[in-house]
Amino acid sequence: DAGVIQSPRHEVTEMGQEVTLRCKPISGHDYLFWYRQTMMRGLELLIYFNNNVPIDDSGMPEDRFSAKMPNASFSTLKIQPSEPRDSAVYFCASSLDRGLGNTIYFGEGSWLTVV
Amino acid sequence: LAKTTQPISMDSYEGQEVNITCSHNNIATNDYITWYQQFPSQGPRFIIQGYKTKVTNEVASLFIPADRKSSTLSLPRVSLSDTAVYYCLVGDWRSGGYNKLIFGAGTRLAVHP
Repeated sequence: DAGVIQSPRHEVTEMGQEVTLRCKPISGHDYLFWYRQTMMRGLELLIYFNNNVPIDDSGMPEDRFSAKMPNASFSTLKIQPSEPRDSAVYFCASSLDRGLGNTIYFGEGSWLTVV
Repeated sequence: LAKTTQPISMDSYEGQEVNITCSHNNIATNDYITWYQQFPSQGPRFIIQGYKTKVTNEVASLFIPADRKSSTLSLPRVSLSDTAVYYCLVGDWRSGGYNKLIFGAGTRLAVHP
């Protein structure tokens, strides 16, 4: 299995620009997660989907952030407009609900720098 | 939510056994204990999970006492490549509830030659 695939791996953008991060979960997984990691706040759950439906977006910092999952094999996290404080590593992850202590598989992350 | 407490950092040497203990005094009946490992520049990776007693896999062992208020991750004969951050998570996220899956600060393990 190829694992969770994220793109781009690295992005440097200017403040005010739109940023789109992409994710392909592991085939067959029914949960998809977006996390953000910074030195100050650690690893935070932003939003997660079940069968393409957003379940909890309470971790999304503000309206500048939006996430979509148009189908089972693709999701995007968009920041518009971006700000320097959005600089972080954004991880996508997926999981299969087996009803018993599910394991979450993380991607390699998208390293975002907003200047 | 069950709060976890683990050491901020630990040091060890190659070939030694490393034990990282996590406290979770208010663990709930349905909660599982899960450990993740994160190498620099990578996403966290599942290591091991348990509910009670002892669980062992090819990577580590997890010891959980009867009261389940703590757990110990045991890494046998560590190598330099085991240098990473180790996270202890406690929760019941079966069939959803993933917003309860909280990664704390973790334990930063440094293995020295």
